[in-house]
Amino acid sequence: GESVGLHLPTLSVQEGDNSIINCAYSNSASDYFIWYKQESGKGPQFIIDIRSNMDKRQGQRVTVLLNKTVKHLSLQIAATQPGDSAVYFCAGGYGGATNKLIFGTGTLLAVQP
Amino acid sequence: DSGVTQTPKHLITATGQRVTLRCSPRSGDLSVYWYQQSLDQGLQFLIQYYNGEERAKGNILERFSAQQFPDLHSELNLSSLELGDSALYFCASSLRQGSNEKLFFGSGTQLSVL
Repeated sequence: GESVGLHLPTLSVQEGDNSIINCAYSNSASDYFIWYKQESGKGPQFIIDIRSNMDKRQGQRVTVLLNKTVKHLSLQIAATQPGDSAVYFCAGGYGGATNKLIFGTGTLLAVQP
Repeated sequence: DSGVTQTPKHLITATGQRVTLRCSPRSGDLSVYWYQQSLDQGLQFLIQYYNGEERAKGNILERFSAQQFPDLHSELNLSSLELGDSALYFCASSLRQGSNEKLFFGSGTQLSVL
């Protein structure tokens, strides 16, 4: 079936370094992708999204890259801070149906001081 | 703070019991979604309501039901609980039910079935 998965379950980075979290998806029809951040004890929080007609989108300290050829997207966090420590997961959807989003399992980002 | 309120935060109950999870969406949001998050699994979509009406069903068991009330708050009812129902249940809301609506999640209800 469809899946959206993360390459690594845990990523440990030094404070100030850049972080890259990867995600693969299986449905080539997916046309919309979202990255979420989930801190301990909280619900998922929207970070950034990208549509399939784009290869790159930038936000505040974050960049999402989409490679449709290999069905892969990544989230880059610049100058990682302790407050970035959380689980990050991607979601993919198609046809605009929010209720059809497929969520990945997540990567735990641990920022070392 | 997302503006979505879920109660209770934690719920411990026994197999065979019935529980009700409550969600108040963000002010002005008409659409409510329920998700289940189990260990090592991504969020699983259960059901969506829009302005009081059921709009879509996902992987929701027949033992589970939900409704959205006129004041737009929603309740998820879980009955004949089994050990495998232990999970984190999230509610999310969005303004409308349009294309690629941005979801705002509550903090979840941690359900433990013993």
